[in-house]
Amino acid sequence: DTEVTQTPKHLVMGMTNKKSLKCEQHMGHRAMYWYKQKAKKPPELMFVYSYEKLSINESVPSRFSPECPNSSLLNLHLHALQPEDSALYLCASSQRGVQETQYFGPGTRLLVL
Amino acid sequence: ILNVEQSPQSLHVQEGDSTNFTCSFPSSNFYALHWYRWETAKSPEALFVMTLNGDEKKKGRISATLNTKEGYSYLYIKGSQPEDSATYLCAFNTGGGNKLTFGTGTQLKVEL
Repeated sequence: DTEVTQTPKHLVMGMTNKKSLKCEQHMGHRAMYWYKQKAKKPPELMFVYSYEKLSINESVPSRFSPECPNSSLLNLHLHALQPEDSALYLCASSQRGVQETQYFGPGTRLLVL
Repeated sequence: ILNVEQSPQSLHVQEGDSTNFTCSFPSSNFYALHWYRWETAKSPEALFVMTLNGDEKKKGRISATLNTKEGYSYLYIKGSQPEDSATYLCAFNTGGGNKLTFGTGTQLKVEL
């Protein structure tokens, strides 16, 4: 099973809402990633978890809060987002690190009103 | 800031044509180069991870080469089929941390 699942597929939220994006993999991978992708742009790394510890935060605003409750799950908690945060949010996982294939989920399409 | 450039930006070819794209990246402190294929409304799909200068990898009709000294990788598709239509992304890592920097992609459309 090489599947990474993400829920929800689509999300519309207001600027005062709190919501969470979820990502799950059952491949035994120990590195998990959040990317943000705006239209016509490449995916941009937001966070990396390695062995359930946050190893990279690419200076992401605090209104985005990642969480890795266990080795299979990765959450992204959203609070007080801005309209410019509307984007496709992709989750990925790899066995350990960057020399290995990253497996991507289908993404959550987020619209902030 | 690391710059990963891909060319061309988009490409239209006929079924059966062979084609190739380029990914250019900084040659210093190279660690890994990834190629992904991304079809609309689907997840990006890994094609290759390349780490050694001179690497050549093949998967069916798709192959890739890597030159780390001059900072480029080529992706080749032999006998393009309509199902090859997708955006092809390369992503680069320097220094071995867990960060991949993606290029803007080459959008391929294969017409009958």
